Amino acid sequence: EAGVAQSPRYKIIEKRQSVAFWCNPISGHATLYWYQQILGQGPKLLIQFQNNGVVDDSQLPKDRFSAERLKGVDSTLKIQPAKLEDSAVYLCASSLYPKAGGEDTQYFGPGTRLTVL
Amino acid sequence: QKEVEQDPGPLSVPEGAIVSLNCTYSNSAFQYFMWYRQYSRKGPELLMYTYSSGNKEDGRFTAQVDKSSKYISLFIRDSQPSDSATYLCAKRGAGGTSYGKLTFGQGTILTVHP
Repeated sequence: EAGVAQSPRYKIIEKRQSVAFWCNPISGHATLYWYQQILGQGPKLLIQFQNNGVVDDSQLPKDRFSAERLKGVDSTLKIQPAKLEDSAVYLCASSLYPKAGGEDTQYFGPGTRLTVL
Repeated sequence: QKEVEQDPGPLSVPEGAIVSLNCTYSNSAFQYFMWYRQYSRKGPELLMYTYSSGNKEDGRFTAQVDKSSKYISLFIRDSQPSDSATYLCAKRGAGGTSYGKLTFGQGTILTVHP
């Protein structure tokens, strides 16, 4: 079974520029997550999709971050304009579905490491 | 107060040692707890998943949840250099729109030296 794919793996931009990350979840997984992991910290959820609908985007800085999941499969996360504090690893994860009363493993991709200069 | 608190370490132990990693959490509504392992420049991978209180064992790994003290632990027996990684504890949202949402601790960096 192929894992979660992300691209690019690394990106260096200057502040105020825009950047986009792409994620392809595991085939058949209904739920997709984007996390931000700042160096030395645990991942923080930015947005959660169920199929192509947003379930939770309460921690997404909507003035500069946007995300979409077209046709309930691939997803893109965009930052415009970028700030220095956006330097982090952006992780995409997917799960089969949030299953009430049971285990629902989130599988993570390798992440995109963003450096904002 | 953070929802999940974890000592970042770093923790350095000799090969074969027993490792104890710990987290505390602040909201007693949560019932699902996980331990993820993250190697350098990789995404986290699920190591252990526990529900409710008690112990869960998987090979050299034991996860323990104490809901009365809001304390979760991971024990690694006979630690190996390949166990060197960052260990992240996490809790899963209990319901509603937060169901499925993981809240992570800061992560503990573990090094097992030969």
